[in-house]
Amino acid sequence: KAGVTQTPRYLIKTRGQQVTLSCSPISGHRSVSWYQQTPGQGLQFLFEYFSETQRNKGNFPGRFSGRQFSNSRSEMNVSTLELGDSALYLCASRASGWSTDTQYFGPGTRLTVL
Amino acid sequence: AQKVTQAQTEISVVEKEDVTLDCVYETRDTTYYLFWYKQPPSGELVFLIRRNSFDEQNEISGRYSWNFQKSTSSFNFTITASQVVDSAVYFCALTANQAGTALIFGKGTTLSVSS
Repeated sequence: KAGVTQTPRYLIKTRGQQVTLSCSPISGHRSVSWYQQTPGQGLQFLFEYFSETQRNKGNFPGRFSGRQFSNSRSEMNVSTLELGDSALYLCASRASGWSTDTQYFGPGTRLTVL
Repeated sequence: AQKVTQAQTEISVVEKEDVTLDCVYETRDTTYYLFWYKQPPSGELVFLIRRNSFDEQNEISGRYSWNFQKSTSSFNFTITASQVVDSAVYFCALTANQAGTALIFGKGTTLSVSS
């Protein structure tokens, strides 16, 4: 089975722009979660989608949003980019929405905001 | 509140040494799950192990072993006869009802194995 894929792998944007990141889960997985990784804050949970519905959200401003499509692929959008949004954004998928399931991660998208 | 503490920020060892990475967790839930992930320089988090709160049996997988002790709220990870390929950042993580379905990560331990 193919793993979790994320596109693009690298992205450079300037302050004030918006960006969309994409994640394709492992085939058959219905849950997709997004995490932000920075040197200062570590790995932080952004949100989770299951069956096209956001079911859990971390403590991030409304500039961070996401959605999930009927094929379970997910996109994450960040509007009005700030320098502090520079980070590695990781997507994870799991078979169901239960916390008992293991989350499998993609390679990440490294976003640099100038 | 849920919390995971990895007190060791960086560890350096020479090949073939054994090394233990510590993980201490906090949760009020009685049902929870603990994980270890490895993050090599490429950035992808690689799943290593999952353990639920009702299973305190230690686990061994090749050179890797895990020691789960509820009495001390610890879930430590030992690499026996370390190799250069083990160099990576290792994260301990927790999920429990209070966190919903999110993983709560520790800050990670950077392991450097030199030849």
